[in-house]
Amino acid sequence: AQSVTQPDIHITVSEGASLELRCNYSYGATPYLFWYVQSPGQGLQLLLKYFSGDTLVQGIKGFEAEFKRSQSSFNLRKPSVHWSDAAEYFCAVGPTILTGGGNKLTFGTGTQLKVEL
Amino acid sequence: GAVVSQHPSRVICKSGTSVKIECRSLDFQATTMFWYRQFPKKSLMLMATSNEGSKATYEQGVEKDKFLINHASLTLSTLTVTSAHPEDSSFYICSARTVGGPTEAFFGQGTRLTVV
Repeated sequence: AQSVTQPDIHITVSEGASLELRCNYSYGATPYLFWYVQSPGQGLQLLLKYFSGDTLVQGIKGFEAEFKRSQSSFNLRKPSVHWSDAAEYFCAVGPTILTGGGNKLTFGTGTQLKVEL
Repeated sequence: GAVVSQHPSRVICKSGTSVKIECRSLDFQATTMFWYRQFPKKSLMLMATSNEGSKATYEQGVEKDKFLINHASLTLSTLTVTSAHPEDSSFYICSARTVGGPTEAFFGQGTRLTVV
């Protein structure tokens, strides 16, 4: 069964500092990988995704993530955090083959990011 | 990008009544929509997968008679919480996948349900 682990429940960084949020996955093959961000009381916004190709993917708001097959990881990074980045971040994994009903995403438990001014 | 609209964003209802939540894909057709429930400070729990024109597929432990899902068109799915109780209070989020697209899902803004 597929699973996603986000080992850090909370992370606090100073504004302007760099950020790395960890994500490890368990899957039978190379999955589709996603990072979503959720502001309080809101839905999820897609930051970036990895399907294939270049293992370093760029997303919106200055975020990037690197897929490392050997480590089963897909960590999210940002070189300089802004106060507006404070939110909940979710890593998710989905299947590579589109089958009826088989394309649901599995989410990690999320990492709450706090930004100190 | 693709836009998913969820309505209402907040609803308060009395115990024993039913509440309907709508999920619309505004600028694309969605053959599949997903309904999630999110508990405070918790991840998203998939409740059911809704396919246009067919019965929804519920996850284990989710009562299909309590959480009625209808996906009557390629742009609309509804979740009805029947005979709501306070323990049904939660944040419900829908997502939709484009026809023929990858597993990338676009999410609605969520509905905060409070049952009093």
